[in-house]
Amino acid sequence: GAVVSQHPSWVICKSGTSVKIECRSLDFQATTMFWYRQFPKQSLMLMATSNEGSKATYEQGVEKDKFLINHASLTLSTLTVTSAHPEDSSFYICSSHGGNSPLHFGNGTRLTVT
Amino acid sequence: AQTVTQSQPEMSVQEAETVTLSCTYDTSENNYYLFWYKQPPSRQMILVIRQEAYKQQNATENRFSVNFQKAAKSFSLKISDSQLGDTAMYFCAFMKTGTASKLTFGTGTRLQVTL
Repeated sequence: GAVVSQHPSWVICKSGTSVKIECRSLDFQATTMFWYRQFPKQSLMLMATSNEGSKATYEQGVEKDKFLINHASLTLSTLTVTSAHPEDSSFYICSSHGGNSPLHFGNGTRLTVT
Repeated sequence: AQTVTQSQPEMSVQEAETVTLSCTYDTSENNYYLFWYKQPPSRQMILVIRQEAYKQQNATENRFSVNFQKAAKSFSLKISDSQLGDTAMYFCAFMKTGTASKLTFGTGTRLQVTL
């Protein structure tokens, strides 16, 4: 079945540095990629929707300059957390459609900012 | 806007027993999908079952079945013959039909299967 590969699975970075998370669709064209954030013991909250070749659409309250999303090809979308701070520590997960199939999720990235 | 409500933060069931997780939603859409996702400690999101709103027949996947009541906007998940591996967070989710539709999740129910 369709697979979304997300890397890295975990990352530890120092405060003030930037971290890039990649999501690749392996056997389908991901026109749209959704980026979610999940705090411990909470649900997934949509951060932004990225569409190939255009600017991402951010949910209310999400800083677009802090969470940079690039979707330059049909198989790759990236989320860059810029100038990361401890409060950005969270679990980030991407998902995409495969046609009319249910959303396929990456395995997530656990970000820890020290 | 759509909302999804899961009123049971935690549930516990003994192995081999049956448990039902509740979910209600609110929408003005007529065509949509409903899902149950399982998130084990690995935090991987695993699709358990899905239901198309236009289908009256309740979806079934092995030990998992749903009770879909469209008029009541209710979508409960029944797990039969519970197994220890069913221990996880379960999220109910809503998605409008369309190629660029996002998922709206409920707050989740933590299910613990005990011996």
